[in-house]
Amino acid sequence: GESVGLHLPTLSVQEGDNSIINCAYSNSASDYFIWYKQESGKGPQFIIDIRSNMDKRQGQRVTVLLNKTVKHLSLQIAATQPGDSAVYFCAENIRGGGGNKLTFGTGTQLKVEL
Amino acid sequence: DAGVTQSPTHLIKTRGQQVTLRCSPISGHKSVSWYQQVLGQGPQFIFQYYEKEERGRGNFPDRFSARQFPNYSSELNVNALLLGDSALYLCASSLAYNSPLHFGNGTRLTVT
Repeated sequence: GESVGLHLPTLSVQEGDNSIINCAYSNSASDYFIWYKQESGKGPQFIIDIRSNMDKRQGQRVTVLLNKTVKHLSLQIAATQPGDSAVYFCAENIRGGGGNKLTFGTGTQLKVEL
Repeated sequence: DAGVTQSPTHLIKTRGQQVTLRCSPISGHKSVSWYQQVLGQGPQFIFQYYEKEERGRGNFPDRFSARQFPNYSSELNVNALLLGDSALYLCASSLAYNSPLHFGNGTRLTVT
């Protein structure tokens, strides 16, 4: 399928290393944040979410960190595998009245080298 | 279980034509949202429908319209197509108004 990641920032990591993908969000009223993974030819796939009353949340091999002071979000992937190669997007939302009007970041292409 | 399904997967249209894209949500999901993704960018919000009513609209012209049916499926219509409408159109469903979104694989629209 067509590449999602044309002209996107790229992070290259060796298989087995940890990956850290960063995201700056724009709206100080945003109180819900999500990371999505998008493989070529597919729609975004939910990875992990975090609400603004938390600063860290862990899933399976993934951790999301939220720093509201500087409006920064990061996704950490432990022991990165070739199947993790994809474009990663952060998205923000205002839960109170925002419904599912997500605002997506520009994305980061993660390339896992064998 | 079937995920969000969209049809068609690919479509080629000429400038000025009209197009209808279709989406079937995950069974039990009552909300459908539409996003446009231009190559190399993140998805942009177009519409959200919940319980057959429009609950949100993004910054898109009136050429874009949508509706949700009693079975919660949805259609996105775009009139008077422009070259700039070429994009991947993503449908996402959620259980409720504020629940996490689950995306389909999209319809790739090319306008020539």
